[in-house]
Amino acid sequence: NAGVTQTPKFRVLKTGQSMTLLCAQDMNHEYMYWYRQDPGMGLRLIHYSVGEGTTAKGEVPDGYNVSRLKKQNFLLGLESAAPSQTSVYFCASRQTPLGREFHNEQFFGPGTRLTVL
Amino acid sequence: DAKTTQPPSMDCAEGRAANLPCNHSTISGNEYVYWYRQIHSQGPQYIIHGLKNNETNEMASLIITEDRKSSTLILPHATLRDTAVYYCIANTGTASKLTFGTGTRLQVTL
Repeated sequence: NAGVTQTPKFRVLKTGQSMTLLCAQDMNHEYMYWYRQDPGMGLRLIHYSVGEGTTAKGEVPDGYNVSRLKKQNFLLGLESAAPSQTSVYFCASRQTPLGREFHNEQFFGPGTRLTVL
Repeated sequence: DAKTTQPPSMDCAEGRAANLPCNHSTISGNEYVYWYRQIHSQGPQYIIHGLKNNETNEMASLIITEDRKSSTLILPHATLRDTAVYYCIANTGTASKLTFGTGTRLQVTL
């Protein structure tokens, strides 16, 4: 199993350009997440999805859009990149909690390092 | 998620036990304590979680006080590879989201 993979690993954009970050998981997880991490800070949730065809806003959704057309993929889009979006982006997934032992173990990808000039 | 408070940094000698504290005085009865760690530049990694009983797995032990207002993550024999930022999170487990704070930066030294 590859787990959670992210493409690309690195990207440099100019202000105003657009791009899409791809997250893929092969664990048949229902929930998927996009976080951003700025230097010296913890992770902040951008958007998440609790199943195919669903999306929801997280803590810092402005300037980003997402889509979950397939269960295994979660796409993060930047329509018009800004320098404030320079960050490391992490994708994560988790299984649906079942039974009495609810378990919030999220599996993370290796990250995408994005620089917006 | 209930608010958690962790020291910003700690040091530990290699081979010794690393004891990382976390305060969660407002934790509710249905919230678990989760620990994750993030090794430099990598995605966070789940370590362990518990509700009110002490827990142990191959990576660490989790000690939760009887009043559940604080907990300690124990790495019994720290190695250089345990140098990382450790996050303590209080969460119901069924909640869709986790809230990551700034964590404790553990530096393991020779």
